[in-house]
Amino acid sequence: SYELTQPPSVSVSPGQTARITCSGDSLPKQYAYWYQQKPGQAPVLVIYKDTERPTGIPERFSGSSSGTIVTLTISGVQAEDEADYYCQSADSSDSWDSSDNTDIWVFGGGTRLTVL
Amino acid sequence: QVHLVQSGSELKRPGASVKVSCKASGYTFTTYAINWLRQAPGQGFEWMGWINTNTGNPTYAQGFTGRFVFSLDTSVSTAFLQISSLKAADTAVYYCARRNGDVTFDIWGQGTRVTVSS
Repeated sequence: SYELTQPPSVSVSPGQTARITCSGDSLPKQYAYWYQQKPGQAPVLVIYKDTERPTGIPERFSGSSSGTIVTLTISGVQAEDEADYYCQSADSSDSWDSSDNTDIWVFGGGTRLTVL
Repeated sequence: QVHLVQSGSELKRPGASVKVSCKASGYTFTTYAINWLRQAPGQGFEWMGWINTNTGNPTYAQGFTGRFVFSLDTSVSTAFLQISSLKAADTAVYYCARRNGDVTFDIWGQGTRVTVSS
């Protein structure tokens, strides 16, 4: 089955730049999405289609893509950014027999961002 | 404002069934598909599948066939997830999420914790 791989943890000091990576063989062909989840809360979409930022998400959140790796960058990290971050993408392998071409969504294991 | 509001926590015995609701507000319910996702304790997300809110046609991900049923009541803008023959391994927080085209899951419910224990 298709997997997306993230580092378990990233730590940065306030004001520094945090970079969280996500790797997957299908990422050159499929968009990536990023979610922020704080303890006890539902996820919040922070980046979609590799680089787009939803309305209301601070400009310090950005996304980039290069080959099989996508990266979520948080510039000028603030204490409130401490959370778990998950990447998501579609499985474009041929293992799924879907006559209606339904996307199959896969998530990375998550990265705990700690603000020191 | 756009919201998805889910039903409250459930404690069930093994072998029982549970039905989780997800009520939409602030938008036309039948315009966007509803997806269901599971997050086991301390774990990441598993995508369970989705339901077409226009046709009612469900699609189940591998591993979520047989005991899992997605349904709708469009008259009250609500989607449902029913799980039968519950097992301890079904203990998780279940989320509904709106699929907004290429934006994917832009709105999430607050989650429903289902605990299966004897």
